[in-house]
Amino acid sequence: DGGITQSPKYLFRKEGQNVTLSCEQNLNHDAMYWYRQDPGQGLRLIYYSQIVNDFQKGDIAEGYSVSREKKESFPLTVTSAQKNPTAFYLCASSGRDPGATDTQYFGPGTRLTVL
Amino acid sequence: RKEVEQDPGPFNVPEGATVAFNCTYSNSASQSFFWYRQDCRKEPKLLMSVYSSGNEDGRFTAQLNRASQYISLLIRDSKLSDSATYLCVVSTGTASKLTFGTGTRLQVTL
Repeated sequence: DGGITQSPKYLFRKEGQNVTLSCEQNLNHDAMYWYRQDPGQGLRLIYYSQIVNDFQKGDIAEGYSVSREKKESFPLTVTSAQKNPTAFYLCASSGRDPGATDTQYFGPGTRLTVL
Repeated sequence: RKEVEQDPGPFNVPEGATVAFNCTYSNSASQSFFWYRQDCRKEPKLLMSVYSSGNEDGRFTAQLNRASQYISLLIRDSKLSDSATYLCVVSTGTASKLTFGTGTRLQVTL
C-alpha cells in the first residue's frame, strides 16, 4: 500500500525533553511538510522540504528542527525551546502530477502532549 | 485580515438537504484551490481541487470566483457520513505552500 505513515500516534513528553516525530512516505514524492494544528486554528506550516538534503522554515519554525537525509523520511524534532508544544502534528507530502497542480496528502498525525 | 476565512459553523442540516459553504481568500496571486475534509481527530483528506470553470464530483460541486476571491462548496442530498469539518485551502504556488482556513463544521442529522 502506498501512503504516509507517522509514529507514534500518541506521545507524552515531560517539559524540558526533546522528542522526535517520525514521518515516512512510499509515494515517491519529492516534497514533504510538517504542520501543527491547534483547536480552533487552521493548520500552520512548521518546516518543508522540496528535495533531499534541503529544507526551509515555515511560518512557525521556532523550537523545531528537521532533517531530510532520505527522500522517504522527514523526521521532526520538537525541542525544549518550543514554548507550547502540545498539539496535533501532521506530516504531508506532494509530488508533481502531470497536468495538475501539486496536491498534498497527509499522514494520520501524532498527538503530542506535554505533561 | 486572515488569509483564508471560513464561517466556522456548525451547520446543522437534516439528511437529504443541500448545504453550501463559502470561503474567501485575501491573496489575489493565489493559484490553486482545494477543499479538504477532516473528521474529528483525524488527518485532512483531499475532497476536491477547485478549478476556474467549476467542477463537480457526484454530490459535491466546487466553484471559484477569482474576481471576488471566493470559493464555494455545495453538497447535495446530504448524508450522515458527510458530517465533518470542511477546510478551504489556498496555494500561491510558491513551493506548494498551502494556507488553510480554520474549517466549517457540518453536522447532518436524521
